[in-house]
Amino acid sequence: AQKITQTQPGMFVQEKEAVTLDCTYDTSDPSYGLFWYKQPSSGEMIFLIYQGSYDQQNATEGRYSLNFQKARKSANLVISASQLGDSAMYFCAMRVRNSGNTPLVFGKGTRLSVIA
Amino acid sequence: ETGVTQTPRHLVMGMTNKKSLKCEQHLGHNAMYWYKQSAKKPLELMFVYSLEERVENNSVPSRFSPECPNSSHLFLHLHTLQPEDSALYLCASSQVLGVTNEKLFFGSGTQLSVL
Repeated sequence: AQKITQTQPGMFVQEKEAVTLDCTYDTSDPSYGLFWYKQPSSGEMIFLIYQGSYDQQNATEGRYSLNFQKARKSANLVISASQLGDSAMYFCAMRVRNSGNTPLVFGKGTRLSVIA
Repeated sequence: ETGVTQTPRHLVMGMTNKKSLKCEQHLGHNAMYWYKQSAKKPLELMFVYSLEERVENNSVPSRFSPECPNSSHLFLHLHTLQPEDSALYLCASSQVLGVTNEKLFFGSGTQLSVL
């Protein structure tokens, strides 16, 4: 079975500082993808970054980077130079190759608050 | 025009009412999904459609009835709901179903309150 764990219900960060949001996952399938989504108060889930299980390098997208530690089964999101607009819920998600018709499985999320 | 549009944004209904949620995607995708998001719980997958055919139904009560008339539209018909069904209902789409790196595109959701 697939499982995503986000242990931080809420995080605070000072504007312009970096912040790390934790995500651990559990699967026995060697082929999987890891995703991070942002959900602002408007409700829409916005895709941020993707990491494949066979990717050799950590994924980066602008101010977002994914600290992928395969042996520890962790896929932490790092946001550099935080902005007030980064305040939102952040969800880690996973899809494994042999999960049939099941798309993404999500964690419970972390609420990030950026302080001026 | 946004990629995935959901209407209405907010809905309040009594337990005996019948209502429908609508989702439309303008991305040319072949797979569409309904998720339920309750407070302090992970997103729960409800239904999956691929090429207009339902391929997944995650033990959802029959008071929720999905309909996918074409690849661009997805409905969720609601009848005799319970207060515990109050939640944010999110629609999503993806290019295809079953690819590891396939990302989902979401709408803004319908916030449903059942009285």
